[in-house]
Amino acid sequence: RKEVEQDPGPFNVPEGATVAFNCTYSNSASQSFFWYRQDCRKEPKLLMSVYSSGNEDGRFTAQLNRASQYISLLIRDSKLSDSATYLCVVNPGISGGYNKLIFGAGTRLAVHP
Amino acid sequence: DTAVSQTPKYLVTQMGNDKSIKCEQNLGHDTMYWYKQDSKKFLKIMFSYNNKELIINETVPNRFSPKSPDKAHLNLHINSLELGDSAVYFCASSQDARGRDGYTFGSGTRLTVV
Repeated sequence: RKEVEQDPGPFNVPEGATVAFNCTYSNSASQSFFWYRQDCRKEPKLLMSVYSSGNEDGRFTAQLNRASQYISLLIRDSKLSDSATYLCVVNPGISGGYNKLIFGAGTRLAVHP
Repeated sequence: DTAVSQTPKYLVTQMGNDKSIKCEQNLGHDTMYWYKQDSKKFLKIMFSYNNKELIINETVPNRFSPKSPDKAHLNLHINSLELGDSAVYFCASSQDARGRDGYTFGSGTRLTVV
């Protein structure tokens, strides 16, 4: 089983649609969670951290379910500029204080007019 | 601009050559990383340095040798390049080795081995 699994998509949605991405992770001891966005031929950029209580940033809502080892990202009122690959990222909290971010393969979103 | 910057952006070279990629961050971060993104777009960690000390060394061929002269710089030297080394190499940094606030990435070096 992969450490972080995502539906690769692509998700093709019209402008204004609501779209949800899901992600599961294998290490129950994982400590922190993120969603990154990567545009074509660009570097990954932090979109938002994901907290146990859930968090919202404008049109974006992220949720974490530790019991199910499941992370989600909801995008409301999709814009053309939201077209990108969304990467689910997990920090498994390796012992010794040194951590490394584990990236999912990404879910591609294409928003069309 | 505060950032993670890496050079060169593009690198095309022949098999068997030796090449280096440089990375610098002016964010005041303690920890730096090298990630490789292959043709399937999968990002995998290669190395991590914390205050010039190697702390993570994944299963990477020993043709790859990182070097950190100070905590703001992390370079990657690759010997005897092979076709399979073609990928995008991203440098990243984080506040500390716990990485709780995520990483900031450089814009990547696209390496093509012919």
